[in-house]
Amino acid sequence: QVQLQESGPRLVKPSETLSLTCTVSGASISSYYWTWIRQPPGKGLQWIGYVFYSGSTTYNPSLKSRVTISVDTSKNHFSLKLNSVTAADTAMYYCAREGGSPVDHWGQGILVTVSS
Amino acid sequence: DIVMTQSPDSLAVSLGERATINCKSSQSLLFRSNNKNYLAWYQQKPGQPPKLLIYWASTRESGVPDRFSGSGSGTDFTLTISSLRAEDVAVYYCHQYHSIPRTFGQGTRLEIK
Repeated sequence: QVQLQESGPRLVKPSETLSLTCTVSGASISSYYWTWIRQPPGKGLQWIGYVFYSGSTTYNPSLKSRVTISVDTSKNHFSLKLNSVTAADTAMYYCAREGGSPVDHWGQGILVTVSS
Repeated sequence: DIVMTQSPDSLAVSLGERATINCKSSQSLLFRSNNKNYLAWYQQKPGQPPKLLIYWASTRESGVPDRFSGSGSGTDFTLTISSLRAEDVAVYYCHQYHSIPRTFGQGTRLEIK
């Protein structure tokens, strides 16, 4: 059974970098597209981007200048970095798997708050 | 970006009755090369991640009860719950995976009347 688990700091200061890791178990990361999606409190879902196991990335143009997604196949995990954060980046961040059809497995999510 | 617009924003339905949620995309989600609509439906309950219900507009995910069904093609899609149960109270999202960036509808909150 595929499981994804987000980890990382839950509080980030404005202008700093948000860094999260998603550990994948029950499946090899060496296939599929590994995705980050976020959801501000009480709001809808925003797709951030994804990484293929080869390291190829695709980002949402609205965040592209601030986002880096990377993959470490040896550790079976992938990561998100979002720099220059503001309060508008406060959200539940989900890691997920997409593979030729829509996202079918999600992590439980991690709430990241941007505040001084 | 493909804009996904759901209607209504909220819906109250009696137990055992039918619930219908609509989703309209700003561009066609049909790939003519494989005749598939790149449209999915998710259910999200409080404190949980979204759960995939329907993909390719009408294919039910494994384990999803058959009271959930999806229909539509091109730019207009519908999620139908044939006989509402208490555990169906949730927010429902449509989602297009046709183009980058992937986008979601704003969500429809389904409650019991």
